[in-house]
Amino acid sequence: DGGITQSPKYLFRKEGQNVTLSCEQNLNHDAMYWYRQDPGQGLRLIYYSQIVNDFQKGDIAEGYSVSREKKESFPLTVTSAQKNPTAFYLCASRSAAGRTQYFGPGTRLTVL
Amino acid sequence: KQEVTQIPAALSVPEGENLVLNCSFTDSAIYNLQWFRQDPGKGLTSLLLIQSSQREQTSGRLNASLDKSSGRSTLYIAASQPGDSATYLCAVGGGYQKVTFGTGTKLQVIP
Repeated sequence: DGGITQSPKYLFRKEGQNVTLSCEQNLNHDAMYWYRQDPGQGLRLIYYSQIVNDFQKGDIAEGYSVSREKKESFPLTVTSAQKNPTAFYLCASRSAAGRTQYFGPGTRLTVL
Repeated sequence: KQEVTQIPAALSVPEGENLVLNCSFTDSAIYNLQWFRQDPGKGLTSLLLIQSSQREQTSGRLNASLDKSSGRSTLYIAASQPGDSATYLCAVGGGYQKVTFGTGTKLQVIP
């Protein structure tokens, strides 16, 4: 089955800890994205990557970091510098020629 | 800066009713507009994509229209079913990979 997987589905973090959210796709898509979704708000772009070893900040990149060492993988690290990390995180991908973003099932992060 | 608004935030209709969801955007210089469905605690599923040169797209009981000049799109759902209950998001595609999402309309179809 082709698609995007995110793990874990639920993640709990203590204050001051860094955590990494996984996003993997087997769609052979070039571009990958990370969004954050909060209640009552639209999705907000954190980071995106159009090719391997390259990525760009989105609208709310502070307190987050990413890497793109492989085409299939785009992990997101939520650092202790992110003051309000509790949210639903969505990963998406898109082919170079495509217009549609395909989304993973999401990871819900809760800070204890 | 593009802003996307969806009104109403929530909508409840009886099964079988036809309904319209609205999406408005402030900058008409768009590449495309997409409607997504999101079930609780899940990712987004693409429903319809309208290119900037198109006026509408249809898929089954769904029809989406686009009026760039007025900055509006509508999603028409015919003969609604309880399985249509979900949050519907519209997303406007601009330049440089920029996609701006609305806050969504939460639809409940009552059997």
